Amino acid sequence: GIQVEQSPPDLILQEGANSTLRCNFSDSVNNLQWFHQNPWGQLINLFYIPSGTKQNGRLSATTVATERYSLLYISSSQTTDSGVYFCAVGPSNAGNNRKLIWGLGTSLAVNP
Amino acid sequence: EAQVTQNPRYLITVTGKKLTVTCSQNMNHEYMSWYRQDPGLGLRQIYYSMNVEVTDKGDVPEGYKVSRKEKRNFPLILESPSPNQTSLYFCATGGVEQFFGPGTRLTVL
Repeated sequence: GIQVEQSPPDLILQEGANSTLRCNFSDSVNNLQWFHQNPWGQLINLFYIPSGTKQNGRLSATTVATERYSLLYISSSQTTDSGVYFCAVGPSNAGNNRKLIWGLGTSLAVNP
Repeated sequence: EAQVTQNPRYLITVTGKKLTVTCSQNMNHEYMSWYRQDPGLGLRQIYYSMNVEVTDKGDVPEGYKVSRKEKRNFPLILESPSPNQTSLYFCATGGVEQFFGPGTRLTVL
């Protein structure tokens, strides 16, 4: 089945720094989403981005589907950005099942 | 407000005591699914439902049951829970983009 790899696994930043998180996937997808899991365990939708570039405030994301990777950019990081960032993809061969295959996440800690 | 709700949010139980985790969505989506999240394994799909009375197994269905009698509800049933079902459970719904409930943290002693 499709493999999803995220890097780096862990990241520590000072408040105000910028960062780039990467997601590589091994096969064609019809869905790609980025999530933030907060310290309470809740999954927050950041981007639905199977291709192209989107921006939402200090966050932006780019997916290059032909090269099978996506990037999440966090600018001017804040302590509230801490948590785990997940990339999840929907395989093109999943039929009617809209399941997501998940990476293991990037654990981000932003220090004041 | 569009949302997915789960109950209970936290549950500690003992081996073999049947339990149900409820999931409800007000987004009018036909598709719903359940995932479990475990350290080092990420999130994995348990069951999914394409519509009322239509359910199918995901990647890790053993030990779980589901039902879909109404469009908005998709309960997860553990008829005889075991310690290896201790996990964080998420209900999801959506069209192309998936939205997740707040999670249910289950501990089976």
